Amino acid sequence: GEDVEQSLFLSVREGDSSVINCTYTDSSSTYLYWYKQEPGAGLQLLTYIFSNMDMKQDQRLTVLLNKKDKHLSLRIADTQTGDSAIYFCAESTSGTYKYIFGTGTRLKVLA
Amino acid sequence: DVKVTQSSRYLVKRTGEKVFLECVQDMDHENMFWYRQDPGLGLRLIYFSYDVKMKEKGDIPEGYSVSREKKERFSLILESASTNQTSMYLCASSLGRRPDEQYFGPGTRLTVT
Repeated sequence: GEDVEQSLFLSVREGDSSVINCTYTDSSSTYLYWYKQEPGAGLQLLTYIFSNMDMKQDQRLTVLLNKKDKHLSLRIADTQTGDSAIYFCAESTSGTYKYIFGTGTRLKVLA
Repeated sequence: DVKVTQSSRYLVKRTGEKVFLECVQDMDHENMFWYRQDPGLGLRLIYFSYDVKMKEKGDIPEGYSVSREKKERFSLILESASTNQTSMYLCASSLGRRPDEQYFGPGTRLTVT
């Protein structure tokens, strides 16, 4: 079945860039999403990319999509302590509104 | 502002009890979802509903059932709770248009002893 994988942990220093990676197996994915989960809260959509795009930038966030390698990344520029959270990538395919979520990457920002 | 609320933040139940988790959304969303979140496993879909009284099994439906009698409310039922159902349960809703943002509730942490 479809699978979405992420590394579990990432630690960066405040002010540095963070890059969170994700690989997926479903080649028919139409949208790929990044969600953020802060402690004690549900998930919140950060950004998404349509599968015919290579890159999307939104303020400090840059999403890169390599469709050939089925690799998605989220870059956070000038990472702040408030960016400490769990980040999930997710994919959906046409014909369904179900998501497949990754395992989540816990980002820790060191002051 | 879309709001998804869940009936409890924390719940402790005994093995064998019947457990009801309630979820309400206030934005007239078509789709509603129940996930469980476990460390290292991410979010796994239990059930989802795309209309009133309509439901579809997700990836891990065993031991769970759902009910959607009204559009705004989606209930998750554990017929006979077991310790391996101790988890964080997240409810979400979505409008059903691409890109389909899901809006999440704060979660219910269920402990089965």
